[in-house]
Amino acid sequence: EAGVAQSPRYKIIEKRQSVAFWCNPISGHATLYWYQQILGQGPKLLIQFQNNGVVDDSQLPKDRFSAERLKGVDSTLKIQPAKLEDSAVYLCASSLGQNQETQYFGPGTRLLVL
Amino acid sequence: KQEVTQIPAALSVPEGENLVLNCSFTDSAIYNLQWFRQDPGKGLTSLLLIQSSQREQTSGRLNASLDKSSGRSTLYIAASQPGDSATYLCAVAYNFNKFYFGSGTKLNVKP
Repeated sequence: EAGVAQSPRYKIIEKRQSVAFWCNPISGHATLYWYQQILGQGPKLLIQFQNNGVVDDSQLPKDRFSAERLKGVDSTLKIQPAKLEDSAVYLCASSLGQNQETQYFGPGTRLLVL
Repeated sequence: KQEVTQIPAALSVPEGENLVLNCSFTDSAIYNLQWFRQDPGKGLTSLLLIQSSQREQTSGRLNASLDKSSGRSTLYIAASQPGDSATYLCAVAYNFNKFYFGSGTKLNVKP
């Protein structure tokens, strides 16, 4: 069974530029999560989808971050414009449903904003 | 505000030692608690998931316990090996699988 796929693996941009990350969850997984992990900290949930609907985006900085999962499968997270403090690893995870089940994580996208 | 704390932040032990990693959380009304492993430059791998109705879970050399009343969980690693070197993260779910993560314990097992 293929795992959660993410691309790109690394990205370096200048502040005020835009960037997009892509995630393809495990086949059949209804729930998809985007996390931000700043160096030395644990992951922080940005947004959670159930199929193509948003379950929780309370910690998503909506003035600059957006995410979509139009067909309920893969997802895109965008930052526009980026700030220095957005430098982090962006992790995508998926789970079969949303009822206290194991989350499976992708390798992450490491973003550096200069 | 839900907070998850992990102590110690870093731990270095010789190979073969048994060790305990600690996780504490402020709100005891949890749905479940999960322990993850993170290797440098990689994503998280789930080790053990404990439902709120359970007291412990075991997988191989790993044993995780949960005490909701005191807001604590421990991850016990028996007979540690150099391959166990990684960062171990504790995550607590309160609803709809929304996890709050601790900052992790970075473990180094010396050969």
